[in-house]
Amino acid sequence: DGGITQSPKYLFRKEGQNVTLSCEQNLNHDAMYWYRQDPGQGLRLIYYSQIVNDFQKGDIAEGYSVSREKKESFPLTVTSAQKNPTAFYLCASREDRGGVQPQHFGDGTRLSIL
Amino acid sequence: QKEVEQNSGPLSVPEGAIASLNCTYSDRGSQSFFWYRQYSGKSPELIMFIYSNGDKEDGRFTAQLNKASQYVSLLIRDSQPSDSATYLCAFTSSGSARQLTFGSGTQLTVLP
Repeated sequence: DGGITQSPKYLFRKEGQNVTLSCEQNLNHDAMYWYRQDPGQGLRLIYYSQIVNDFQKGDIAEGYSVSREKKESFPLTVTSAQKNPTAFYLCASREDRGGVQPQHFGDGTRLSIL
Repeated sequence: QKEVEQNSGPLSVPEGAIASLNCTYSDRGSQSFFWYRQYSGKSPELIMFIYSNGDKEDGRFTAQLNKASQYVSLLIRDSQPSDSATYLCAFTSSGSARQLTFGSGTQLTVLP
């Protein structure tokens, strides 16, 4: 089945540790996105990528890094510089062929501090 | 002023009633508007989108857009307990049609 796969579902980070969240899609979508959601809040954009080997910062990029080496993969690293990483992280992708193309989401990763 | 405001919840309606969810936005250049449903602990799923003024219907759902008033709404007819969720509105910005700005969501509870 086509879709967006995020792993792991739950992740725990120790202080000073970098952790990487995986996002893979087999929808052949060009654009991919990372959002952060805090309890009772909407989604805030961390990074997005419209094409392989290119990505742009969103509204809250500090403390995060990404790479886009393959069209189907867009991993997010939460670095030790992100002092409040506890949140629900959502990856989305979108076909970028013009017109109204909605974003579709993976199942998310819940990150907590140990 | 927030870029997008959703009507404060939580909102409770009896089963079979019409639920009305509202969203206002500040960016007059916004072009496309999306409604997502998010069950507790789950990721958002797309319900529908609208980009022209007026109404768009899809089953029990109707999206309404009024660009002059910068207002978009979602009506759910014959509400069911399974509709109980948080509803997020989102819109593309005038700066980039590829990015979405999300509201904080309205929690809807449909009472049996």
